Amino acid sequence: GAVVSQHPSRVICKSGTSVKIECRSLDFQATTMFWYRQFPKKSLMLMATSNEGSKATYEQGVEKDKFLINHASLTLSTLTVTSAHPEDSSFYICSASSSGRQSYEQYFGPGTRLTVT
Amino acid sequence: RKEVEQDPGPFNVPEGATVAFNCTYSNSASQSFFWYRQDCRKEPKLLMSVYSSGNEDGRFTAQLNRASQYISLLIRDSKLSDSATYLCVVILTGGGNKLTFGTGTQLKVEL
Repeated sequence: GAVVSQHPSRVICKSGTSVKIECRSLDFQATTMFWYRQFPKKSLMLMATSNEGSKATYEQGVEKDKFLINHASLTLSTLTVTSAHPEDSSFYICSASSSGRQSYEQYFGPGTRLTVT
Repeated sequence: RKEVEQDPGPFNVPEGATVAFNCTYSNSASQSFFWYRQDCRKEPKLLMSVYSSGNEDGRFTAQLNRASQYISLLIRDSKLSDSATYLCVVILTGGGNKLTFGTGTQLKVEL
């Protein structure tokens, strides 16, 4: 199957700092990338959908100015958590899909565990 | 009401047992259905799609009841390696490829 990587896998930062998470599709061109957040014992919640070269579409309740998403190329999307606070501590997972594959097939990255102190 | 509901478990079963998970979805416009598996602190991975006619993949059988808006997953001859959280996932009609996840059902297979 397709491979998606995320970096970093784990990050600890101080409150008020910004953190950038990278999501890369390694062996296919990802026309669409998705960003999810998962709190302990909760379901994955879609934060936003990004298509290469266009602005991300954010889900209701997700602040676009706080969670900046850039999908500059067909293999890279980034999520920047700006001015992070302890309540932003979570598991962030990206996924990627391609127009050349089944539309429902999303390949997930291994996730990034963010802890804000 | 949550869009996708699952019993969180945990289901503790002995190795070799048969176990079934259920999932209900609230939106009758849901068009596609899946079971994903998620190991602790890992990303979810597609286990199988769920078709109206029901489908089987080895020890795993998935069924869909559109009238009752209900999906099931049956695991036969449970293995220790089956221990994980099983996520019920739906796609709404017109939702493109946006996945809506249930909270998952935790399975623990024991010796």
